[in-house]
Amino acid sequence: EVQVVESGGGLVQPGGSLRLSCAASGFMSSTYAMSWVRQAPGKGLQWVSGITNSGGTYYTGSVQGRFTISRDSSKNTLYLQMNSLRVEDTATYYCAKNLYGTGSYNDCWGQGTQVTVSS
Amino acid sequence: DIQLTQSPSFLSASVGDRVTLTCRASQGINILLAWYQQKPGKAPKLLIYGASTLQSGVPSGFSGSGSGTEFTLTINSLQPEDFATYYCQQAHSYPLTFGGGTKVEIK
Repeated sequence: EVQVVESGGGLVQPGGSLRLSCAASGFMSSTYAMSWVRQAPGKGLQWVSGITNSGGTYYTGSVQGRFTISRDSSKNTLYLQMNSLRVEDTATYYCAKNLYGTGSYNDCWGQGTQVTVSS
Repeated sequence: DIQLTQSPSFLSASVGDRVTLTCRASQGINILLAWYQQKPGKAPKLLIYGASTLQSGVPSGFSGSGSGTEFTLTINSLQPEDFATYYCQQAHSYPLTFGGGTKVEIK
């Protein structure tokens, strides 16, 4: 069964850091593009970052320079390193597998991990 | 960045109704658009990609159309399990973006 499971969320103070993990199973995540998508409480979906099968990385403007997406193919795991966190980064963060090797459509989503940035 | 505007934001309908949701892009995106369904407390679910291709396992009552800047998602006969929020997403260029969503509520 194709599945992704996120972990690593939690409560952090403004300016702090967190690293989210996304463990993939049932498929080789390095073969596909992968994305992080977040949803603030009561709000819509926001694409945050993506990595292509060739290793190209992309970010939405508000996280550029603060977040870093990466993958460990040997562990079949995707990461999102989040630095200089702000209150407005508070959200549920979803990991998603893309249909193709480059940015496209998210056909398999995790259950999400909650990130709360508060003092 | 490509902006996606969904309308309406809220839609009140009855079981059995046929409903049409709209998504407009700020620039042409060919057919590089997807639709997702999200229920409260759950992850989104891919319904349609490439503007009109039904994702495997999605009921045939869902259909999508459009190209360029204007797209529609049609639900032919609303079922109780279809009451949810629907989002469009463009895959034309990075950063990928979502529309603001349309919440379909029971009348």
